[in-house]
Amino acid sequence: KAGVTQTPRYLIKTRGQQVTLSCSPISGHRSVSWYQQTPGQGLQFLFEYFSETQRNKGNFPGRFSGRQFSNSRSEMNVSTLELGDSALYLCASSIGAYNEQFFGPGTRLTVL
Amino acid sequence: AQTVTQSQPEMSVQEAETVTLSCTYDTSESDYYLFWYKQPPSRQMILVIRQEAYKQQNATENRFSVNFQKAAKSFSLKISDSQLGDAAMYFCAYGSSNTGKLIFGQGTTLQVKP
Repeated sequence: KAGVTQTPRYLIKTRGQQVTLSCSPISGHRSVSWYQQTPGQGLQFLFEYFSETQRNKGNFPGRFSGRQFSNSRSEMNVSTLELGDSALYLCASSIGAYNEQFFGPGTRLTVL
Repeated sequence: AQTVTQSQPEMSVQEAETVTLSCTYDTSESDYYLFWYKQPPSRQMILVIRQEAYKQQNATENRFSVNFQKAAKSFSLKISDSQLGDAAMYFCAYGSSNTGKLIFGQGTTLQVKP
């Protein structure tokens, strides 16, 4: 079974731009969660989607948004990028909302 | 709010020896899950082991085992017969039964010396 895939793997943007990251979960998994990983803050939860509904949201500004499609694929969007948004963005999928999560390789976002 | 603490930023172990990584957590919930994840330098996060809070028996996966002390809110990972491929950052994570999010500790970098 194919693992979680994320595209693109690397992105370079400038301040003020917006970006969309994509995540395809493991086949059959209905829950997708997003995390931001930085050296200073570690791994922080962004949001979780289950059956196209956002179930939980972390403590991030409204510039961070996401959605999930009927095939469970998910996208996250960051608008008006700031230097501090530079991070590794990890997507994880699970069968249900409360099962172990399997992570993708991440998207490395650099904001210049 | 739940918190997870890993007090050892770095650990090292000799190949073939045993090492224990520490993790403590704080929660008022009675039903939850605990995980150890491994993140090698390639950055892909891999699930190492999982423990349900309602289970008294400690989880074991081959060379990896946990010491789960629910009353003390402690969840340590023991790696036996350490191998060079075990070198990675290890994260302890808390999963609530009420939400789908994981709360991670700051991580422990494990170095394996040949």
